[in-house]
Amino acid sequence: GAVVSQHPSWVICKSGTSVKIECRSLDFQATTMFWYRQFPKQSLMLMATSNEGSKATYEQGVEKDKFLINHASLTLSTLTVTSAHPEDSSFYICSALPVASYNEQFFGPGTRLTVL
Amino acid sequence: DAKTTQPTSMDCAEGRAANLPCNHSTISGNEYVYWYRQIHSQGPQYIIHGLKNNETNEMASLIITEDRKSSTLILPHATLRDTAVYYCIVRGGDSNYQLIWGAGTKLIIKP
Repeated sequence: GAVVSQHPSWVICKSGTSVKIECRSLDFQATTMFWYRQFPKQSLMLMATSNEGSKATYEQGVEKDKFLINHASLTLSTLTVTSAHPEDSSFYICSALPVASYNEQFFGPGTRLTVL
Repeated sequence: DAKTTQPTSMDCAEGRAANLPCNHSTISGNEYVYWYRQIHSQGPQYIIHGLKNNETNEMASLIITEDRKSSTLILPHATLRDTAVYYCIVRGGDSNYQLIWGAGTKLIIKP
């Protein structure tokens, strides 16, 4: 099956710093990638939809200036959490939708962010 | 997207079939039923999806009622590694590829 990787798998940072998370589709191209956030014992919450070569579409309540998304190629999307604060600590998960195949999203393993 | 209703948790004995129900009474004609699962601290894993016919793959079977208002995911021979949260999601079949996640069912497989 198709593989999606995320890097780093976990990160600890100080409050006020920025953290970049990469999402890569390893063996397929993805026009669309999604970014999710998951707090402990809660379900996944969609943050934004990222389309290659265009601006991301953010869900209501998600600050686009705080969560910067770049989808510069068909295999890479990045999420940058700017000026991170402890309340941003969460499990961030990306998924990728293969080009011309709209039935199945493939998920990355997730990135655990802890902001001290 | 249509909402789904799933039991909060279920237990199943190892080696037995695990049957996970899902209600989606407001599903519309072009919406698919998807099942994913999430093992603790991992990304979700696709299991199966269907429109109106029953589906089977190497992981599971999906039974959709004739009126499409409910479905059942069947894991035929559950193992301890099947312990996870299982999500039933209804998704539009045309241009809306977003997945809206409910609370899911916590399935615990017991030895």
